[in-house]
Amino acid sequence: ILNVEQSPQSLHVQEGDSTNFTCSFPSSNFYALHWYRWETAKSPEALFVMTLNGDEKKKGRISATLNTKEGYSYLYIKGSQPEDSATYLCASFGNQGGKLIFGQGTELSVKP
Amino acid sequence: NAGVTQTPKFRILKIGQSMTLQCTQDMNHNYMYWYRQDPGMGLKLIYYSVGAGITDKGEVPNGYNVSRSTTEDFPLRLELAAPSQTSVYFCASSYPEQNEKLFFGSGTQLSVL
Repeated sequence: ILNVEQSPQSLHVQEGDSTNFTCSFPSSNFYALHWYRWETAKSPEALFVMTLNGDEKKKGRISATLNTKEGYSYLYIKGSQPEDSATYLCASFGNQGGKLIFGQGTELSVKP
Repeated sequence: NAGVTQTPKFRILKIGQSMTLQCTQDMNHNYMYWYRQDPGMGLKLIYYSVGAGITDKGEVPNGYNVSRSTTEDFPLRLELAAPSQTSVYFCASSYPEQNEKLFFGSGTQLSVL
């Protein structure tokens, strides 16, 4: 079983704070790393799919980096807003094609 | 474009009953998945399929069965429902290429009492 770990489990910040989360995954036989944003009572929506070591992706105030050699990815949110409150999930494909395993998620709460 | 459609949206089952959760996608995606939402645990993979006629177990397959007779449909069968299967179930699909994201259905909330 592929182990994907996320930290912290939850995070409470003030509006305007910048924050970051970590996703760790087995580095052997890496294929792709996904980040999703999941709002309460909705379905997860993709933020980024990253495949190359050193990849950096950006979408507005949210960015992500990838280190496949050491098996981690960081998600950064600059100047958090209340609408950023959600659970952020990462997921990794291992060496078995098609098997996408999610971490437990980081629940972000941004207070006005 | 409908995307990924799950039915029903809500269901209450009695212990020991059986049911099928339906999932269909109209994007011609090869890959399809069933996940369940466990509190504090994110999404757990139940079963997945890389194409019609091919299915494989995920992290938590016990108590479930799947079939994939067409590219579009990937039903999840619960036999002998148990309270531990109370959860929100999500179906998802994607193209098989390395950089392709998942598209999720709206979820099925299932309670087993």
